[in-house]
Amino acid sequence: DIQMTQSPSSLSASVGDRVTITCRASQSISSYLNWYQQKPGKAPKLLIYAASSLQSGVPSRFSGSGSGTDFTLTISSLQPEDFATYYCQQSYSTSCTFGQGTKLEIK
Amino acid sequence: QVQLQESGPGLVKPSETLSLTCTVSGGSISSYYWSWIRQPAGKGLEWIGRIYTSGSTNYNPSLKSRVTMSVDTSKNQFSLKLSSVTAADTAVYYCARDLSYSSSSHFDYWGQGTLVTVSS
Repeated sequence: DIQMTQSPSSLSASVGDRVTITCRASQSISSYLNWYQQKPGKAPKLLIYAASSLQSGVPSRFSGSGSGTDFTLTISSLQPEDFATYYCQQSYSTSCTFGQGTKLEIK
Repeated sequence: QVQLQESGPGLVKPSETLSLTCTVSGGSISSYYWSWIRQPAGKGLEWIGRIYTSGSTNYNPSLKSRVTMSVDTSKNQFSLKLSSVTAADTAVYYCARDLSYSSSSHFDYWGQGTLVTVSS
C-alpha cells in the first residue's frame, strides 16, 4: 500500500489567515492526488483533483500544488465555513489510500 | 445532478454478512466506476473497493477475502457485501462515484453515508 501522511494533524487558525496543509506519499504518485473537505456528520466533498485542478463550484481561495511525493493544499484567506477536516487521497494505485486527516479549527 | 443514496440494515450481528445498496439518481450508472468507502467514528477514510458497470471489480487487499460487490444497471444500483463482520467493521459506509480517466481518479459524488453497527 502507498502510505499518505498529512501534516499537521490539527491546526488552529483565524478567519482571513492563509493556511497550508501538507501531504506526503510513501512513493512517487505523479499527480494522482486529491483533496477533500469533510464537515461533521457529512460526506467528504471533493476540492482539488489531479493535485492542482479545482473541482467545479469550489471557491478559488482553495488551491493545490505538488507532484511526486510532496503536495500542499492552500486556503488563501480562511472563511468561517472552511473550518473542517481535510483529507488527501492518492489514486496512483488501484487500491487508493487516504491521509489521516487534518482538523482545521478556529483560533 | 447525480445523487447517491445508501440503504441497508443499520445493525448486523458478529460473524454475519453486512449488505448495503447504493441507488444512483439524476444520471446513468453506466460507464463509470462506483466505490464503497467507510469511516469508523472519529477516524479516517478507508476505501473498500469499486465496481465498473461491466461488473469488473477491484478490492482493498486488506478486505478482499470478505468483500463482494455487484451492479444492477437496470435499477441504477450497486451493492456491497462484507462477510464475517466483527466490531471493527462498525463504521459509516459511503458510496461514491469514482471518476477515472488517464490523468486522474477521484470521488466526485458521494452518498450521505449510512451507519452500520456490528453488535449482538
